[in-house]
Formats: sequence, structure tokens, C-alpha cells
Amino acid sequence: AQSVTQLDSQVPVFEEAPVELRCNYSSSVSVYLFWYVQYPNQGLQLLLKYLSGSTLVKGINGFEAEFNKSQTSFHLRKPSVHISDTAEYFCAARDFNDYKLSFGAGTTVTVRA
Amino acid sequence: DSGVTQTPKHLITATGQRVTLRCSPRSGDLSVYWYQQSLDQGLQFLIQYYNGEERAKGNILERFSAQQFPDLHSELNLSSLELGDSALYFCASSLTGTDSYEQYFGPGTRLTVT
Repeated sequence: AQSVTQLDSQVPVFEEAPVELRCNYSSSVSVYLFWYVQYPNQGLQLLLKYLSGSTLVKGINGFEAEFNKSQTSFHLRKPSVHISDTAEYFCAARDFNDYKLSFGAGTTVTVRA
Repeated sequence: DSGVTQTPKHLITATGQRVTLRCSPRSGDLSVYWYQQSLDQGLQFLIQYYNGEERAKGNILERFSAQQFPDLHSELNLSSLELGDSALYFCASSLTGTDSYEQYFGPGTRLTVT
């Protein structure tokens, strides 16, 4: 089993500024890593995933994340945010050969004009 | 739209009652997962079914049960409801299980226990 820690519960940011959401995981085995976004009153949508290979993964809506095995991190970044990026973001992990996703507590991103 | 549907969207009921939440997976997906999202516990995995069989169990209370039917839709049954069961319940689906990396989430059912 693994645990996922999102280091920031709230991140306020101005429109067109960059944003970084931090995620650390702990696991005794190799993991798959994911970032999901939840817009108000909606379900979870997959932003991007890391399975293997290149440590820099690109997702939808201009987001990218970098897997760092030595630091057990999977931080999410966007170089320039829009008002429409206001949402809650969840980091999740899944052990190889396991079924369930373990989620972090979530980071609320509020983009202001 | 993920292709996963959940009904009802909202449910308000009283303590001690029993409710059934329904989920239809994406066309072709064999695996269904249930998650609970609450303010104090966050997003937690409850249970997974694959092609009608229970595959994995998480933090699911004994008062809760689930099943997956031959047409692959799933139901989550919550009984003897308590105030603390108020939460958003998500269903997700994937093609198979361990070799399917992406889980597609439905819009959720918001349960309020009064």
C-alpha cells in the first residue's frame, strides 16, 4: 500500500502566472502516478499519468508533471494559468498489480484576474 | 463526459435508512470501482468489481455492500445510514483491471443523511 501527500491545500494564483502543485508519494513497490482535476460540482477528470519512460509527462490543458524517483515526487505545473483552471486537483498513485487508486487530500487552485 | 453514468445525482435521506446508488460503466469496460469523497476522509477507495466478481476491497464498512450485474452495471447499497455517511460517492470504470491504467469517473452521487 502507498500514501500520497499533497503539500499545499490551497494555492491562490493570478491569471497568466505559473503554478506548481506538489505531490509526494511513498510506496515499497513501483507505482503508477496520476493527476486528476475536479471542477465545481463535477466528477474527476484525468489530467495526465506517469506509467514508465520519460519522467516529464504532458497532459491536457497545458499541464505537465515531472516524476522524480529519488525524491518520490510527482509535481504538477502549468506555465500560465487561466481563470478556467480554478478547480481542485488530486494526485493519485497505484501500485503495480494493484487495483485501487490512493488519492492525496487535494489542492484547491483559485485563479484571480 | 467520461461515459460513466451515475444515478441519482442527489439523495437526501434520514438516519437508519437504506439507499442504493447505481452506476453504468463506459461501454466495453469490465471493471467498476466505488470511491467515497468526504470532507474528513478525502477520496477513499471502497470496492472494485470485475466482470461480476468482487476483485478488491478497501475501506468499506460492513453496512455497505455492492454488486455488479451481468450487464456490467453496478449498485452500491448503503444501510443503517449514519450522519457520517454523508458524502459524494463516485463510480469509476476501466477496461480490465491491473493492466488498465486509466479509471474514468462518473459525476458522482451526493448523499445527504439528516
